[in-house]
Amino acid sequence: AQTVTQSQPEMSVQEAETVTLSCTYDTSESDYYLFWYKQPPSRQMILVIRQEAYKQQNATENRFSVNFQKAAKSFSLKISDSQLGDAAMYFCAYRSWGAGGADGLTFGKGTHLIIQP
Amino acid sequence: GAVVSQHPSWVICKSGTSVKIECRSLDFQATTMFWYRQFPKQSLMLMATSNEGSKATYEQGVEKDKFLINHASLTLSTLTVTSAHPEDSSFYICSAREGTEVAEAFFGQGTRLTVV
Repeated sequence: AQTVTQSQPEMSVQEAETVTLSCTYDTSESDYYLFWYKQPPSRQMILVIRQEAYKQQNATENRFSVNFQKAAKSFSLKISDSQLGDAAMYFCAYRSWGAGGADGLTFGKGTHLIIQP
Repeated sequence: GAVVSQHPSWVICKSGTSVKIECRSLDFQATTMFWYRQFPKQSLMLMATSNEGSKATYEQGVEKDKFLINHASLTLSTLTVTSAHPEDSSFYICSAREGTEVAEAFFGQGTRLTVV
């Protein structure tokens, strides 16, 4: 079974600064997906960024980028130019590749991101 | 973008009764739907996976007789919490995916269940 570990229960950053959220995972699979989701107080899960394990290039989405280290099984999220709207719980998640559809997400425990104005 | 609608957003029921939660994909055909449970200030835990027209696959430790899942059409899955007890109070979230080759599943807005 796969496990996802987020070692930072809470992080705080000044508005406009950069913050990095950590995520490590354990798997014996070679092909998989990794995700970062944002959950604001509304509790709606919002996809922030996705990475396919076979891709060496790190995914980027505007101010959000990842540092994917496959050998180290590390998948950190960098948020640049932090904005007040970025304040939320952030979950790292793992999904197996091509498991016939019967594969949900395995989530880490989450990191509560606070943005200081 | 793909929209998944979950209903109701919140529900209060008496202990011993059953409650049904619906999850609908509004603009795509969801061959696979997932049900998660989230306790306060905790992460999401996968409860079960359902494929249209098939029986749901439950995660270890999830009582299939208590949490009945039906995925009778490509746009609707339901979760019925039977004989609910206060310990079943939680936030339940569904997600839906179109096909197995698609990476992303889209989430509903969740249902807060309170059993009194």
